[in-house]
Amino acid sequence: EPEVTQTPSHQVTQMGQEVILRCVPISNHLYFYWYRQILGQKVEFLVSFYNNEISEKSEIFDDQFSVERPDGSNFTLKIRSTKLEDSAMYFCASSVTGIYNEQFFGPGTRLTVL
Amino acid sequence: AQKVTQAQTEISVVEKEDVTLDCVYETRDTTYYLFWYKQPPSGELVFLIRRNSFDEQNEISGRYSWNFQKSTSSFNFTITASQVVDSAVYFCALTPPIYNQGGKLIFGQGTELSVKP
Repeated sequence: EPEVTQTPSHQVTQMGQEVILRCVPISNHLYFYWYRQILGQKVEFLVSFYNNEISEKSEIFDDQFSVERPDGSNFTLKIRSTKLEDSAMYFCASSVTGIYNEQFFGPGTRLTVL
Repeated sequence: AQKVTQAQTEISVVEKEDVTLDCVYETRDTTYYLFWYKQPPSGELVFLIRRNSFDEQNEISGRYSWNFQKSTSSFNFTITASQVVDSAVYFCALTPPIYNQGGKLIFGQGTELSVKP
């Protein structure tokens, strides 16, 4: 069964460093998402991406964040200068047609900012 | 604004008990989708069900059932004859209006269910 994959599973970085989190969505899906979950809290939407552009972003997704689909398979989230409060689990998700279908989530990348 | 409230932070039951997880949502829109996701201790998010706002029929899938009541803006989830493997955090989520094709999910706080043997 096709699934969303994410790498790395755990990333440790120093405050102020840039990190890139990688995702490979399910191959026939057209909508891609990033969410984050701070430990013990709810899952929060960051950004949705369709047709090679951002379709919606949350207040969390400020200028320090960017997303890219550099090739036909990968979908990346870049945090330019990490802060301590960026420490969280980051989930990538994909969906066939956005609102009309469920989103399938990857296993997550745990980001620890020291 | 859209909001999802899961008032039960933690529930603990003994195996074979039935348990209901509550979900109340707020939206001004007449068209929307509701979801339940399961997050087991391993951390991934597993899709359980999707419901659109025009379909108020209850749904049953094995030991799982869902009760959608538009009049009370609730979408409750019942596990019958709970098992230890049901132990997880369960999230209810809402997708905003149909004209927002992106379909971002708005999650509730989650309910941590602990099923003891």
